[in-house]
Amino acid sequence: GQSLEQPSEVTAVEGAIVQINCTYQTSGFYGLSWYQQHDGGAPTFLSYNALDGLEETGRFSSFLSRSDSYGYLLLQELQMKDSASYFCAVRERGFKTIFGAGTRLFVKA
Amino acid sequence: GAVVSQHPSRVICKSGTSVKIECRSLDFQATTMFWYRQFPKQSLMLMATSNEGSKATYEQGVEKDKFLINHASLTLSTLTVTSAHPEDSSFYICSASGQGVYSNQPQHFGDGTRLSIL
Repeated sequence: GQSLEQPSEVTAVEGAIVQINCTYQTSGFYGLSWYQQHDGGAPTFLSYNALDGLEETGRFSSFLSRSDSYGYLLLQELQMKDSASYFCAVRERGFKTIFGAGTRLFVKA
Repeated sequence: GAVVSQHPSRVICKSGTSVKIECRSLDFQATTMFWYRQFPKQSLMLMATSNEGSKATYEQGVEKDKFLINHASLTLSTLTVTSAHPEDSSFYICSASGQGVYSNQPQHFGDGTRLSIL
């Protein structure tokens, strides 16, 4: 079957660095995405890794290791507005995207 | 700017009403659109995959007669929640996948429709 595992909650302070891990088990893997969702809002696309390695976009970076079925999202210079839920999602056969349960990030002053 | 538009953003209606939600791709032709449902503090659950010009593929446990999907053109898919009941109250979100150069890109989502059945 298909499954994605990520921590349910992470707490960090402003200015810190946080890493959210994601391991997956799926068929026909095409890529790993990360989405941010604030309460009451729709998911916002953050990053996408189709190949192994690190992708950097501003304060956010995402890493993928296909051989380990593992990826992570790295958030640097944390700000209060980064408090949200973060979902890893696997794009698989048929191009449908399956989401993990989400990690709730709390950023404290 | 937004590449996927979803309408309406919020619906409040009485039990037994049917509700139609529209999802449009703005910048590209979407051969495939996806419909998700999200309950409070939970993840996005894929309900169905909508392919232009053919029948939708529903995920296990999703009633196809309850959630009617139509994908009549390359830019529009609709989800109709028929005879909605309070347990159908949820956040419904669509996303679209393109063809050609867009086919291997990650999905972008509409802003979602918050459905409340009284």
